[in-house]
Amino acid sequence: KAGVTQTPRYLIKTRGQQVTLSCSPISGHRSVSWYQQTPGQGLQFLFEYFSETQRNKGNFPGRFSGRQFSNSRSEMNVSTLELGDSALYLCASSLALLGEQYFGPGTRLTVT
Amino acid sequence: GQQVMQIPQYQHVQEGEDFTTYCNSSTTLSNIQWYKQRPGGHPVFLIQLVKSGEVKKQKRLTFQFGEAKKNSSLHITATQTTDVGTYFCAPGGAQKLVFGQGTRLTINP
Repeated sequence: KAGVTQTPRYLIKTRGQQVTLSCSPISGHRSVSWYQQTPGQGLQFLFEYFSETQRNKGNFPGRFSGRQFSNSRSEMNVSTLELGDSALYLCASSLALLGEQYFGPGTRLTVT
Repeated sequence: GQQVMQIPQYQHVQEGEDFTTYCNSSTTLSNIQWYKQRPGGHPVFLIQLVKSGEVKKQKRLTFQFGEAKKNSSLHITATQTTDVGTYFCAPGGAQKLVFGQGTRLTINP
């Protein structure tokens, strides 16, 4: 089975811009979760989607949003980028809600 | 949400020494997952523990879930350079997975 794929792998944006990240889960996985990883804050949960519905949400501002399509692929959007949004954004898929997470390679976002 | 404290934050060992990381919670956990992230890589699922007092082994790795389901540990026997990385615990069963801060293991060959 192919693993979780994320595009793009690297991204450089300017403050105030917006960005959309994409994630394709493992075939058959209906749950997709997003995480932000920074050296200072560790691995923080953003949200989880299951069957196109957001089921769980972390403590992030409304600038962070996501969606899931009928084929389980997911996108994450960050609007009005801030310097502090620079991070590795990881997507993970699982068979069940909050089940064992299979992570993708991540998108490294740099905001200048 | 469930909060966990993972200790130690860093551990440096000589190759061949044992290593243990602990994950402690103030609340009872439904289950707990463990992940390993190699430098420059992404977290990889290791195991999930569900039952009180559960002990599971994967070769040189031993995972334990406390009797009260408030703590868990990962023990590596006779570390090898391939064990280098950060080990995370993540309690499940709540409305989100809350990863611990992780224990970064470095090994002197």
